[in-house]
Amino acid sequence: AQKITQTQPGMFVQEKEAVTLDCTYDTSDQSYGLFWYKQPSSGEMIFLIYQGSYDEQNATEGRYSLNFQKARKSANLVISASQLGDSAMYFCAMREVTGTYKYIFGTGTRLKVLA
Amino acid sequence: DGGITQSPKYLFRKEGQNVTLSCEQNLNHDAMYWYRQDPGQGLRLIYYSQIVNDFQKGDIAEGYSVSREKKESFPLTVTSAQKNPTAFYLCASSIPRVGEAFFGQGTRLTVV
Repeated sequence: AQKITQTQPGMFVQEKEAVTLDCTYDTSDQSYGLFWYKQPSSGEMIFLIYQGSYDEQNATEGRYSLNFQKARKSANLVISASQLGDSAMYFCAMREVTGTYKYIFGTGTRLKVLA
Repeated sequence: DGGITQSPKYLFRKEGQNVTLSCEQNLNHDAMYWYRQDPGQGLRLIYYSQIVNDFQKGDIAEGYSVSREKKESFPLTVTSAQKNPTAFYLCASSIPRVGEAFFGQGTRLTVV
């Protein structure tokens, strides 16, 4: 069965520093997608970055990059140059390309950026 | 602007009552989803639909029901059989097979 594990319930980072949020996944499918979402206190889910299982390069979107290690089944999110506005919940998610196409989410990591 | 609209934003329900949460999208997406969010438990899938007039149970479907009569709409009914319905409910849509899910703003349901 699909599963996403985020082992860090909460993290602190100093403003302007980089931070890595951990995500490991489990699937028997060969073809899948990995996603990161940000959820501010308002509750909306903001899509940040996507990595396909066959993508050879790590995905990057501005200050966000995804450290994809397929053999380890990990998809860590790296935020560079943290800003106060980055304080939020962050969710890792996976979607299998075959089968039901449903999205499975982890339990999230609450990030607090310190001034 | 294209997007997903959930209403209402806040909803209060008395115990024993059914209540329906609205979800409408104008993104022309075939797939739609309902998730429940509780503190410390992430998002759990209630129901999903890949196409009009078809839907499947997710991991926590007991006490909930849905319909998908139109592509744009995927309402969720929280029935009196749901023992602990107080939670934050998120609706999402996507293109099947590819891409990210797009989310609505959520509905916070409280049982009083």
